[in-house]
Amino acid sequence: GDSVTQMEGPVTLSEEAFLTINCTYTATGYPSLFWYVQYPGEGLQLLLKATKADDKGSNKGFEATYRKETTSFHLEKGSVQVSDSAVYFCALSDRGNAGKSTFGDGTTLTVKP
Amino acid sequence: EAGVAQSPRYKIIEKRQSVAFWCNPISGHATLYWYQQILGQGPKLLIQFQNNGVVDDSQLPKDRFSAERLKGVDSTLKIQPAKLEDSAVYLCASSLEGAKGYGYTFGSGTRLTVV
Repeated sequence: GDSVTQMEGPVTLSEEAFLTINCTYTATGYPSLFWYVQYPGEGLQLLLKATKADDKGSNKGFEATYRKETTSFHLEKGSVQVSDSAVYFCALSDRGNAGKSTFGDGTTLTVKP
Repeated sequence: EAGVAQSPRYKIIEKRQSVAFWCNPISGHATLYWYQQILGQGPKLLIQFQNNGVVDDSQLPKDRFSAERLKGVDSTLKIQPAKLEDSAVYLCASSLEGAKGYGYTFGSGTRLTVV
């Protein structure tokens, strides 16, 4: 079945550092890929998405590129802020499976001033 | 637009008691999902509705969990009787025609503690 594997955390960075959170996936079809962010005490929010190979999703300075050849969708940001501290979830939606999403276990990011 | 509304935000019950959660999705979103998120893990799908019909409930523990979506809008998720391992955050999400290229909009969740 479908699965998503995320880089284990927690990740601790200083403000303005470069961020990479790795995500790889296994799917039988041609999934859409997503990153969600969960701030403390809140529900998950869609951060960015990519629906086909080589697409780049971007939002709030975060980027991720859909790499079909390596089945990856790594999240990057050039300069993190304290306000980026949250849990980040990689997810896929297999369009051949009624569109339901499968999530990774999340990576906790803490940014220190 | 208004987001996905869930209630209550928190619930503490004793094991073997029953509990119900409510969700009101975004207007016009045909697809509604209930996910269970155990601490330190990603959300796991419990049930998916398309309008008022069930699309996928393969991961729903049907001996104790039930869910319905009345008139294709609001939904309730019930647990009866609760077990300690049901302690988790229960997330409701909605989307246009399945997540596909759209992704989900999540509610804030209901944090259930079973003691």
